Amino acid sequence: EVQLVESGGGLVKPGGSLRLSCVASGFTFSSYSMNWVRQAPGKGLEWVSSISSSSSYIYYADSVKGRFTISRDNAKNSLYLQMNSLRAEDTAVYYCAKGAFNMHYFDFWGQGTLVTVSS
Amino acid sequence: DIQMTQSPSSLSASVGDRVTITCQASQDISNYLNWYQQKPGKAPNLLIYDASNLETGVPSRFSGSGSGTDFTFTISSLQPEDIATYYCQQFDNRLYTFGQGTKLEIK
Repeated sequence: EVQLVESGGGLVKPGGSLRLSCVASGFTFSSYSMNWVRQAPGKGLEWVSSISSSSSYIYYADSVKGRFTISRDNAKNSLYLQMNSLRAEDTAVYYCAKGAFNMHYFDFWGQGTLVTVSS
Repeated sequence: DIQMTQSPSSLSASVGDRVTITCQASQDISNYLNWYQQKPGKAPNLLIYDASNLETGVPSRFSGSGSGTDFTFTISSLQPEDIATYYCQQFDNRLYTFGQGTKLEIK
């Protein structure tokens, strides 16, 4: 059974930093792309970032480019999101999502971790 | 960047009704269109991938169609457990965009 478990969320002041983690199990982590998708309170889904299986290809939404860094450790079956220069508009539930074999869609999602940016 | 226009934003229907949601892309995305269901307080769940393929384990009352710029998601006979928000999502040039969502309620 595929499982994705996020952690690292919490309350942070504007301009601060936070690092999210996602531990994966139930599939060969090193063979699949991984992604972060967020959802602001009461709003829709927004793709944040993607990383290929070997970390060769990394992509970001314009809204986070230059502030967020995605990375992975295939030996630890783990995905990370380093978030710097946080803004109030970054407040959201952050989901870790497994990419499908062709990377067209997200076939498994974690339960999410809440990030609140507020003074 | 490709924009996705999903409609309606909300929908009220009765149990047993046929429900249809549409999603329009701002440019041709071939069949790279997927549909997710999200129940309150839960993570999204993949229902349909590549426009018309039913994900394993998803009931057959859910279906999708379309290609190019115009896509349709259908529930053939609405069930009480289908109450949720539904999102379309496109993939183009390694970037992903979601539609605004359709909140489905029981009449």
